[in-house]
Amino acid sequence: GAVVSQHPSRVICKSGTSVKIECRSLDFQATTMFWYRQFPKQSLMLMATSNEGSKATYEQGVEKDKFLINHASLTLSTLTVTSAHPEDSSFYICSARGQGFDGYTFGSGTRLTVV
Amino acid sequence: QKEVEQDPGPLSVPEGAIVSLNCTYSNSAFQYFMWYRQYSRKGPELLMYTYSSGNKEDGRFTAQVDKSSKYISLFIRDSQPSDSATYLCAMSPNGNNRLAFGKGNQVVVIP
Repeated sequence: GAVVSQHPSRVICKSGTSVKIECRSLDFQATTMFWYRQFPKQSLMLMATSNEGSKATYEQGVEKDKFLINHASLTLSTLTVTSAHPEDSSFYICSARGQGFDGYTFGSGTRLTVV
Repeated sequence: QKEVEQDPGPLSVPEGAIVSLNCTYSNSAFQYFMWYRQYSRKGPELLMYTYSSGNKEDGRFTAQVDKSSKYISLFIRDSQPSDSATYLCAMSPNGNNRLAFGKGNQVVVIP
C-alpha cells in the first residue's frame, strides 16, 4: 500500500529557531499534500494544502510566513516552522494523495517541542 | 452545526465484543467516506474507505454508509486489545479536497 514517510518523528528546539519537517511519498506520486496540526485528545486541524509546483493554500488563521510549505516535487513536501515559540509545540502530521483515489495516506507525525 | 459529528467516547468493551462506531454529517456533497485508526503519538492509518452508499467488509472490519440518513458506521468484530486506539471518520466531496474529520472516538478493548 501507499506509504508516506515523515521525518523527524520528534524534535526539540529553542525558541526563536526554525525547524523543518519532511514528508515523502515512498511508492507513489503525491499530487496533493496536506499538513495538519493536532493537539492532545483533539482531532486534526488542517493547516494548508499544497500541490506540486504551486504555492500552498493556507487555512484561515494559519500564518503563511510562519509555516512555510514547499512542495517542490511529486514525492516531497516540507513544512518549516520559522521563529518557533513554545505555543507552536504540537504534533504535526502530513498527508498525501496521488492520482486516482485510494484514500489519503498519513505520515507518522512529528512531535515538536519548543523550549 | 459541525460538518461531521462523532462522539469522542471513550468506549470500553471486553475482548471479543463487537465495537460499533458512527458519525453523522451535514454536507450532502460528501461522496468519499474513510475510517482511520490512530494510536497514541502516531499518524492516522487508513482502515477503510467507501465511495457513496453501501457496505464494505475487510476482515474483521465493516464500514457502512447511509447517505439518505447522512450516517456512517464502522464495526469491528472479535475485538482485540490491539484494536485499542482512537478511530476517526473522515469524508470528502470528490476525493480531491480536504478531508472533514470527526473528533475521533477513543476505543479501549479490555483483555
